[in-house]
Amino acid sequence: DAGVIQSPRHEVTEMGQEVTLRCKPISGHDYLFWYRQTMMRGLELLIYFNNNVPIDDSGMPEDRFSAKMPNASFSTLKIQPSEPRDSAVYFCASSLVRTVQFFGPGTRLTVL
Amino acid sequence: KNEVEQSPQNLTAQEGEFITINCSYSVGISALHWLQQHPGGGIVSLFMLSSGKKKHGRLIATINIQEKHSSLHITASHPRDSAVYICAVVSGGGADGLTFGKGTHLIIQP
Repeated sequence: DAGVIQSPRHEVTEMGQEVTLRCKPISGHDYLFWYRQTMMRGLELLIYFNNNVPIDDSGMPEDRFSAKMPNASFSTLKIQPSEPRDSAVYFCASSLVRTVQFFGPGTRLTVL
Repeated sequence: KNEVEQSPQNLTAQEGEFITINCSYSVGISALHWLQQHPGGGIVSLFMLSSGKKKHGRLIATINIQEKHSSLHITASHPRDSAVYICAVVSGGGADGLTFGKGTHLIIQP
């Protein structure tokens, strides 16, 4: 298996633009997590899905952030409109129920 | 909300030394994870444990549920062990997402 796949790996955009981050979990995993890492706050949980259903989105910063999982092999995290404070590395991870999580390589987002 | 504290924040040691990284948390958990983040940024899961002790190669992880404390040990440390080690917990009550410590930046000098 190729592991968790994220795209793009790097994204540079201007404030106010829409940004879409993509994640393909490991086949067969029924949990998918979105995390964000910044120097100031470290790693934080944004949202997670179980069997494509959002379970906990309490970590989503505000209404500008949205996440979807239309099927078991694909998820998106969208920021609209983007702001400079959204600059961070966004990680996607997947797992089976209550087991170790496998992290993707991350997307480094820079909002100018 | 669970508070996860790690110590030390930074650690520099010589090759071959025995390394200990500590993690404490404030609220009961269902599991604790130790993660390794390489200088390139990738994150790898080392251990997931809910009781006792686990060993993998030169790495040992222990947890004391009553004291809300876990330790990660590295025996015979090597420069390739240089990385950030992150403790993360899964709080009880059916939650599955991780709450992370700030990480321990470890440098092993040859």
